Amino acid sequence: GDSVTQMEGPVTLSEEAFLTINCTYTATGYPSLFWYVQYPGEGLQLLLKATKADDKGSNKGFEATYRKETTSFHLEKGSVQVSDSAVYFCALTAGGFKTIFGAGTRLFVKA
Amino acid sequence: NAGVTQTPKFQVLKTGQSMTLQCAQDMNHEYMSWYRQDPGMGLRLIHYSVGAGITDQGEVPNGYNVSRSTTEDFPLRLLSAAPSQTSVYFCASSSRTGVADTQYFGPGTRLTVL
Repeated sequence: GDSVTQMEGPVTLSEEAFLTINCTYTATGYPSLFWYVQYPGEGLQLLLKATKADDKGSNKGFEATYRKETTSFHLEKGSVQVSDSAVYFCALTAGGFKTIFGAGTRLFVKA
Repeated sequence: NAGVTQTPKFQVLKTGQSMTLQCAQDMNHEYMSWYRQDPGMGLRLIHYSVGAGITDQGEVPNGYNVSRSTTEDFPLRLLSAAPSQTSVYFCASSSRTGVADTQYFGPGTRLTVL
């Protein structure tokens, strides 16, 4: 069945460091891919998405490119801030409306 | 526009008790779903609905019931609570079915079963 695998956390970085959170997927058909972010005590909210191969989603300095050949959707940010501390979820929707989530990666950014 | 609302925010139950978690959305979304979030396991789909009067099971439906009598509301019922149901529960909605779209999440209900 469809699945999403993302790197385990927690990831701890200093402010202004470069961030990469890896995400790979398995899906039949042509999935849409998402990154959601969850701040402490809150629900998930969409960070960015890409709906077809080679699309790049971007928002708030975060980027991810839909790579069909490597079945990946890695999240990157050039310079993280303390306010980026949160849990990040990679997700896919394929062939319908059900969304499959990865396990989540917790990011801590130190000042 | 309140988005997706959930009540209560926190709840403590004893084993065997029943309760209903409320979820409502004011965006006229057809699709609604319930997830549970457990440490290290991401979000797992419990039940979902593609419109009023239509519901179906997700990945972990046992011990839960749902109904969808209106577009706005999608309550989740725990029939006889068990400690294994201790979790954070999120309701979500989205505007289309059959095509990928953004899910909008409520703030969650933190449930503890003793």
